[in-house]
Amino acid sequence: GDSVTQMEGPVTLSEEAFLTINCTYTATGYPSLFWYVQYPGEGLQLLLKATKADDKGSNKGFEATYRKETTSFHLEKGSVQVSDSAVYFCALSDVPSGGYQKVTFGTGTKLQVIP
Amino acid sequence: DSGVTQTPKHLITATGQRVTLRCSPRSGDLSVYWYQQSLDQGLQFLIHYYNGEERAKGNILERFSAQQFPDLHSELNLSSLELGDSALYFCASSIRQSTDTQYFGPGTRLTVL
Repeated sequence: GDSVTQMEGPVTLSEEAFLTINCTYTATGYPSLFWYVQYPGEGLQLLLKATKADDKGSNKGFEATYRKETTSFHLEKGSVQVSDSAVYFCALSDVPSGGYQKVTFGTGTKLQVIP
Repeated sequence: DSGVTQTPKHLITATGQRVTLRCSPRSGDLSVYWYQQSLDQGLQFLIHYYNGEERAKGNILERFSAQQFPDLHSELNLSSLELGDSALYFCASSIRQSTDTQYFGPGTRLTVL
């Protein structure tokens, strides 16, 4: 079945540091890929997405490129801010043959940015 | 604000009890999804409804059930509650069953004492 593997957290960075959160996936079909973010005390919200190979999703300075050859969708940001402190979830959406949309989430990576 | 509402925000109850969590999807969204988020299990997909019909089941216990009503709001019923059912329960909605982006509500925090 489908699965998403994220790097273990927590990740602690100083403000303005470069961020990479690794995400790899396995899927039977041709999934869409997502990064969701969960700020403390809130629900998840979509950060960015990519629907086909080589697509790059971007939002709020975050980027991720859909790499089919390495089955990866790593999240990057050039300069993190304290306000980026949150839990980041990688996810994929797939529609198995004869089935309905199924979304699989990774376990989440907690990011803490210190001033 | 995602446009998805969930009530109540917090719920404290005792073991063996039954509770109902409510979700109103974004206007126009036909699909509703339920998730359980706990510290040890992460985010677990429970069930998906589309336009009133069950579409997919995930790791949902037999003690749990859900339904989606004609006005598209959904309820998640949890019965014979156990301490381990304490978690955040999220509802999400999307436009239709084949679309990709889900919009999450703020969650209901359930504490079972």
